[in-house]
Amino acid sequence: NAGVTQTPKFQVLKTGQSMTLQCAQDMNHNSMYWYRQDPGMGLRLIYYSASEGTTDKGEVPNGYNVSRLNKREFSLRLESAAPSQTSVYFCASSLWGADNQPQHFGDGTRLSIL
Amino acid sequence: GQQVMQIPQYQHVQEGEDFTTYCNSSTTLSNIQWYKQRPGGHPVFLIQLVKSGEVKKQKRLTFQFGEAKKNSSLHITATQTTDVGTYFCAGPEGAQKLVFGQGTRLTINP
Repeated sequence: NAGVTQTPKFQVLKTGQSMTLQCAQDMNHNSMYWYRQDPGMGLRLIYYSASEGTTDKGEVPNGYNVSRLNKREFSLRLESAAPSQTSVYFCASSLWGADNQPQHFGDGTRLSIL
Repeated sequence: GQQVMQIPQYQHVQEGEDFTTYCNSSTTLSNIQWYKQRPGGHPVFLIQLVKSGEVKKQKRLTFQFGEAKKNSSLHITATQTTDVGTYFCAGPEGAQKLVFGQGTRLTINP
């Protein structure tokens, strides 16, 4: 009964380092999403995957890459971290697309770039 | 692209007072969703409104969808400390994406 699981929960990186944020869901959902949350700016979509095998850019994709590894897993990679990428990152999933389907969120990854 | 605006950004109330947050979209929406995020937590789906003029209630929470399907509101009657958090509205953009408002952060003085 885990829902959406994100790892790690916290991470501190130095500028220029790379890392991958992991996300897995056990609800047999087709669509998965990565958001970043910054104070006063709500949730901004980075990338999404409508179904296994597809990925598309969201509102703020620069500096990120994603992989939909299988139906369960959707990872987010920072190739060369920058201080502007300090944020809280949420993964979410929905049965199908966002229209008419609630999204289920993971607990988030709190990422600091020094 | 589509924009969803929420006001106010912050609201501080005394416990027992009412609270309202408003959401406005730049485009007509097929539906609108509301989420609640507790401090340090993740957004949790509350409700979805689909019909023009729709009103739904969940205990002390009343959700409305405007007649033109471009605005919505969430009203909490007699707030309790458990209502603390940030409330987000979100509207679909296309079939796959949700656009979130900036959220209204509610704090309560017990």
